[in-house]
Amino acid sequence: GQNIDQPTEMTATEGAIVQINCTYQTSGFNGLFWYQQHAGEAPTFLSYNVLDGLEEKGRFSSFLSRSKGYSYLLLKELQMKDSASYLCAVSGITGGGNKLTFGTGTQLKVEL
Amino acid sequence: DTEVTQTPKHLVMGMTNKKSLKCEQHMGHRAMYWYKQKAKKPPELMFVYSYEKLSINESVPSRFSPECPNSSLLNLHLHALQPEDSALYLCASSSEGPGSYTFGSGTRLTVV
Repeated sequence: GQNIDQPTEMTATEGAIVQINCTYQTSGFNGLFWYQQHAGEAPTFLSYNVLDGLEEKGRFSSFLSRSKGYSYLLLKELQMKDSASYLCAVSGITGGGNKLTFGTGTQLKVEL
Repeated sequence: DTEVTQTPKHLVMGMTNKKSLKCEQHMGHRAMYWYKQKAKKPPELMFVYSYEKLSINESVPSRFSPECPNSSLLNLHLHALQPEDSALYLCASSSEGPGSYTFGSGTRLTVV
């Protein structure tokens, strides 16, 4: 099975940097995703890590340590529109296809 | 074409109705998925199709019936649903490796 933990809520200030952590325990690890989801909308892909290290994409970066079962999403130069739920999801190969198991999501609130 | 298209975007149905949700992708992905997401909860996997064959059914009630007519299409047939089945239904597809995992925009289903 898979167990994925991330904080429920975080608050940050516009223009600042915020780090959202995710820890996981899993069998058959095949990569870790971060998605952004605004209320009532579908998840939007942010990043994918399968090897250890940092992946940078504009204002968003994601880090993975497979040995520690740990990832984080770093958001820089926060904007009000970044207020959303951020979902950590672990991919596992399960007899056909890749099953994503999601954490409960971190609700980020960006304030002035 | 790098999208997963879902129709309809919104659906309201009675408990005695029969309806279908549709999903289409033209990225050549050979795995397709149905997820269900309740409000303020993460998406939960329902079904996985790999090479047009059902490979995973996460103990979903039989009132939900998936169908994969070809490698580009995935349907979810609904019959005799309950109000608690109201949710956002998400379709996704991926290639052999999970890095290409793509979600559709979802169907917002309300059962009355």
